[in-house]
Amino acid sequence: ETGVTQSPTHLIKTRGQQVTLRCSSQSGHNTVSWYQQALGQGPQFIFQYYREEENGRGNFPPRFSGLQFPNYSSELNVNALELDDSALYLCASRDPTTDTQYFGPGTRLTVL
Amino acid sequence: AQSVSQHNHHVILSEAASLELGCNYSYGGTVNLFWYVQYPGQHLQLLLKYFSGDPLVKGIKGFEAEFIKSKFSFNLRKPSVQWSDTAEYFCAVNDRRSGGSYIPTFGRGTSLIVHP
Repeated sequence: ETGVTQSPTHLIKTRGQQVTLRCSSQSGHNTVSWYQQALGQGPQFIFQYYREEENGRGNFPPRFSGLQFPNYSSELNVNALELDDSALYLCASRDPTTDTQYFGPGTRLTVL
Repeated sequence: AQSVSQHNHHVILSEAASLELGCNYSYGGTVNLFWYVQYPGQHLQLLLKYFSGDPLVKGIKGFEAEFIKSKFSFNLRKPSVQWSDTAEYFCAVNDRRSGGSYIPTFGRGTSLIVHP
């Protein structure tokens, strides 16, 4: 196990709703990244937070937003859910001493 | 934008066979290169990484990868696979951007099945 936890493990929503996913990073890891992994695909980078500010973003629309808290835990918010948002959402925290990412188990989101 | 290609989506081998998984990326600026592995029922975890220096990188469990800058490649190898190597393997590239941030791009993964 990596010490990175995510909640909830599974979630079912309907189109148009909003969802918040949570991630607790490992102690001392001040950078957290979020990824979307569709079935049969590799993880796609959504964005990254460093010291509570977004400092890198992939090709995702503004309805994907995030927060990082002083304890380095993080949230991913998705508004106006679409069917294509159904995926596994991964959080990863980065060890600044080794520049290595540690991934959580993911949250499986299903949008009906 | 960066793209990462993993040429083999599914690989099936017998134990003791040699393994090579291909990975090519498109953008040739300053990059960091990674291979991740996901064993059945487990988290994605780092297998090995290249930042600079010796282009032949050794990782965990006997894996190694070679960075060939001229070919934009970072192929993963293992001389003799074991049944426990059955997993999904992902190649990833981080593009270093000004200001110190980076944008990671993953390949779509290679599913490796090793028969005992």
